[in-house]
Amino acid sequence: GQNIDQPTEMTATEGAIVQINCTYQTSGFNGLFWYQQHAGEAPTFLSYNVLDGLEEKGRFSSFLSRSKGYSYLLLKELQMKDSASYLCAVKDSNYQLIWGAGTKLIIKP
Amino acid sequence: ETGVTQTPRHLVMGMTNKKSLKCEQHLGHNAMYWYKQSAKKPLELMFVYNFKEQTENNSVPSRFSPECPNSSHLFLHLHTLQPEDSALYLCASSQGLDTGELFFGEGSRLTVL
Repeated sequence: GQNIDQPTEMTATEGAIVQINCTYQTSGFNGLFWYQQHAGEAPTFLSYNVLDGLEEKGRFSSFLSRSKGYSYLLLKELQMKDSASYLCAVKDSNYQLIWGAGTKLIIKP
Repeated sequence: ETGVTQTPRHLVMGMTNKKSLKCEQHLGHNAMYWYKQSAKKPLELMFVYNFKEQTENNSVPSRFSPECPNSSHLFLHLHTLQPEDSALYLCASSQGLDTGELFFGEGSRLTVL
């Protein structure tokens, strides 16, 4: 079966750096996505990786290793507003999005 | 005006009621989706429409009935639901089926009593 694993919950301190990992086993691979979802709000697109390596976008970076079936989302200079759930999703060979259950990130002052 | 709008935001219904969820997208996208989001579970894809035609029905019970009158509007008709159907129902759209970035609405929180 197809599977996406990510930690259920993480806690970090304001101003620090946090890395949220995602491992996947899917039928084929056509890209990996990270979305952010604040409580009671819509998920919003953060990043897309289809080739190995690091994609940087401001305070957020996303890394992909296709051979290891592994990605991480790196958040720098954490702010209180970064408290949210972070969803990892992989597009399989049929271009279906397979979703992880999400990682709830709690930022403490 | 947000890109994807869902109404109502909250809905409480009994098991014998009939209600509908509405989604409208103002992005000119061709594909629209219904997802179910339950606490601590991955998003569950329910239905996919591309150019108003249904392309996916992920074994969803018949008590959920989708309708897509045009590329901008999507409905989810609900009848004789069960308490386990209580969840957040998210609508999303994308430029095309193979274009990955989804734009989500804020969801309709459904409670079935």
